[in-house]
Amino acid sequence: DIQMTQSPSTLSASVGDRVTITCRASQSISSWLAWYQQKPGKAPKLLIYKASSLESGVPSRFSGSGSGTEFTLTISSLQPDDFATYYCQQYNSYTWTFGQGTKVEIK
Amino acid sequence: EVQLVESGGGLVQPGGSLRLSCAASGFTFSSYAMSWVRQAPGKGLEWVSAISGSGGSTYYADSVKGRFTISRDNSKNTLYLQMNSLRAEDTAVYYCAKAVSLRYSSGWYYYFDYWGQGTLVTVSS
Repeated sequence: DIQMTQSPSTLSASVGDRVTITCRASQSISSWLAWYQQKPGKAPKLLIYKASSLESGVPSRFSGSGSGTEFTLTISSLQPDDFATYYCQQYNSYTWTFGQGTKVEIK
Repeated sequence: EVQLVESGGGLVQPGGSLRLSCAASGFTFSSYAMSWVRQAPGKGLEWVSAISGSGGSTYYADSVKGRFTISRDNSKNTLYLQMNSLRAEDTAVYYCAKAVSLRYSSGWYYYFDYWGQGTLVTVSS
C-alpha cells in the first residue's frame, strides 16, 4: 500500500504569510494527487487535483506542484479564511490514501 | 447545484449492523463513481469504499473488506453502505463523495470533488 506523509503536522503562521505544506508518497504516484481543506465540523473541500490543477472557484493564492513522490501545496498570502487543516490524497488502482493532515494555526 | 445528504448514522453495539444512505442531486448520478470516506473523532481522513457508476465494480479498504458492502440504486439517486460486524474502531463520521474521472494514456485518475456533510456512527456498548 502507498503511504502518504505530510509535513509539518502543525504550522503557525500570520495573515499575509507564504505557507508551504509538503506531502511525500512512499512510491511514485505520477501526478495523481489532490489537496483538500477541512474546517472543524465541516466536510473536506477540494482545492487542487492532478497535483497542480486548481479546482474551479478556489482562490488563485492556492497552488500545487510536484510529481512522482514529492508534492507541495502553497498558499501565497495567507488569509483569515485559510486557517484550517489540509490533507493530501493519492490515487492508485482504485484505492485512495490520505496524508495525516497539516493544521494551519494563527500565530 | 450538487447536493449529497447522508443519513442512517447512530449508536450501535459492537457486532451490530447499520446501513448508511447518501441521497444525491444536481448531477447525473449514474455517470459518476461514488465513494465513502470516514473520519474518526479528532483523526484524519480514511478512504473506506468506492463503486463505479453502473454499480458493477466495487472497491474496499482492507480495514472493512468482508464486513462492509457498498451499493447504489441509480433509479433513486442513492448510495448505500451496509456495515456489519461493527467494531469500536469503526466509530467515525462517514462522508459520501462524488468521484471525478480523468482519462490518461494508460487508465483513469479519480478524485473527489463534492462531499456530503457526514453522518456519525458510534459503536459502543
